[in-house]
Amino acid sequence: DSGVTQTPKHLITATGQRVTLRCSPRSGDLSVYWYQQSLDQGLQFLIHYYNGEERAKGNILERFSAQQFPDLHSELNLSSLELGDSALYFCASSARDWGNQPQHFGDGTRLSIL
Amino acid sequence: AQSVTQPDIHITVSEGASLELRCNYSYGATPYLFWYVQSPGQGLQLLLKYFSGDTLVQGIKGFEAEFKRSQSSFNLRKPSVHWSDAAEYFCAVAPSSASKIIFGSGTRLSIRP
Repeated sequence: DSGVTQTPKHLITATGQRVTLRCSPRSGDLSVYWYQQSLDQGLQFLIHYYNGEERAKGNILERFSAQQFPDLHSELNLSSLELGDSALYFCASSARDWGNQPQHFGDGTRLSIL
Repeated sequence: AQSVTQPDIHITVSEGASLELRCNYSYGATPYLFWYVQSPGQGLQLLLKYFSGDTLVQGIKGFEAEFKRSQSSFNLRKPSVHWSDAAEYFCAVAPSSASKIIFGSGTRLSIRP
């Protein structure tokens, strides 16, 4: 058990809809990272938050947004969903900012777009 | 541009045999290097990391990796694999001063009884 909690575990929705994925980091960790894993794109870094502030952006679409709240949990919002957004979305956390901090991954949210 | 290459998509080894998974990176300076393992239905777990110093690093579950600057490689090794090692293995690279991490495409390891 990594200590990182992601909800829900599975999400099925339709094209054009909006969903919110939630992540609770490991106790004491200030950084939260979001990743997308799909068969064709592999594991892609989306965005990193540290103590409530955005620190880095990766291959995140404009239809996607994220935030980290004062209690350090984070949400990833996906809107105007397309079939290609079907993927496994992972959240990871680390103690401080990036650099030499190992990341601890949650078990992911599997998003299926019908 | 930074990149990570794992040339082997799928490897099958016999239980008890040795293992080497290849990883090559492209980056101007020495980056931070990682190996992660992903079991089916689970998230990634850090096996080991290299930042500086001794080029042979030890990780969990009996894995080790060697950083070779001249070859831009960071290969993962294990002297004797167990059936429980069957999983997907990802090499990753990150610049030393930034938040972005790049993962390789992964190598799926199967264990032959």
